[in-house]
Amino acid sequence: GEEVAQTPKHLVRGEGQKAKLYCAPIKGHSYVFWYQQVLKNEFKFLISFQNENVFDETGMPKERFSAKCLPNSPCSLEIQATKLEDSAVYFCASSSRQGEDTQYFGPGTRLTVL
Amino acid sequence: GQSLEQPSEVTAVEGAIVQINCTYQTSGFYGLSWYQQHDGGAPTFLSYNALDGLEETGRFSSFLSRSDSYGYLLLQELQMKDSASYFCALHHNTDKLIFGTGTRLQVFP
Repeated sequence: GEEVAQTPKHLVRGEGQKAKLYCAPIKGHSYVFWYQQVLKNEFKFLISFQNENVFDETGMPKERFSAKCLPNSPCSLEIQATKLEDSAVYFCASSSRQGEDTQYFGPGTRLTVL
Repeated sequence: GQSLEQPSEVTAVEGAIVQINCTYQTSGFYGLSWYQQHDGGAPTFLSYNALDGLEETGRFSSFLSRSDSYGYLLLQELQMKDSASYFCALHHNTDKLIFGTGTRLQVFP
C-alpha cells in the first residue's frame, strides 16, 4: 500500500496481560521502525528492521518487549505482561533505503493498560 | 547520550512568521529533521538538513549549524492549520530518529 498501516487503532489491556500490535510498511519499503510516544510528549525509539532482520534494537526493553518482521506478514510488536507505564501510542514508520531523510509514520496504536 | 531541547510552546497570529529552535547534545549524527504532529495524528515529515545552512520547502524552512549544535524551523505566512506540535529529530547512523522535546504551536486569528 501507499501508506503505513497499523492495527488495532486502540487496545486496552489489564496489567499483566499480553498486547500485540501490527504494522504493514509501505510496499517496497525495506526498513521498519517502532517508536513509543507517552502522553503526546517525546518519542522513544524501540527497534528497527531491515526486511526481516533486526537492524537496531538499542531501545527495546528486552524483558517484556519483542518484535518481528517476517516475510509476507505484517511486522509485530508484542508486550508480555503489560505494565501501567506501557500505556502510550506506538507508532510504526517505514523508509525505502538506509540514509533516507524521510520516515513515513503510520496512524499509531493507542495502548491503554488498566 | 543524546538530547534535543525545544521550547514547550510558541504562539503567533495568522500571517506571521515563527521560528522554533532546537538545541542538541550528541556525539554524532547524519542530519536533523523536522516533523509536524496534529493532535491524535501521526508525525509527518517537513524538512531535513544534512548539511549546515538553510533548506527551503514552500512556507517552511529549516536551518542547521553543527558548530553551534543548533537548528531551527521557520514557518512563514502562518495559517490556522499550522497549529500543531513540531519535533526536531536527529538521524542516528542506524537511521533511528532521536526526537526533541516538542514545541506546541498555537496560531490565533
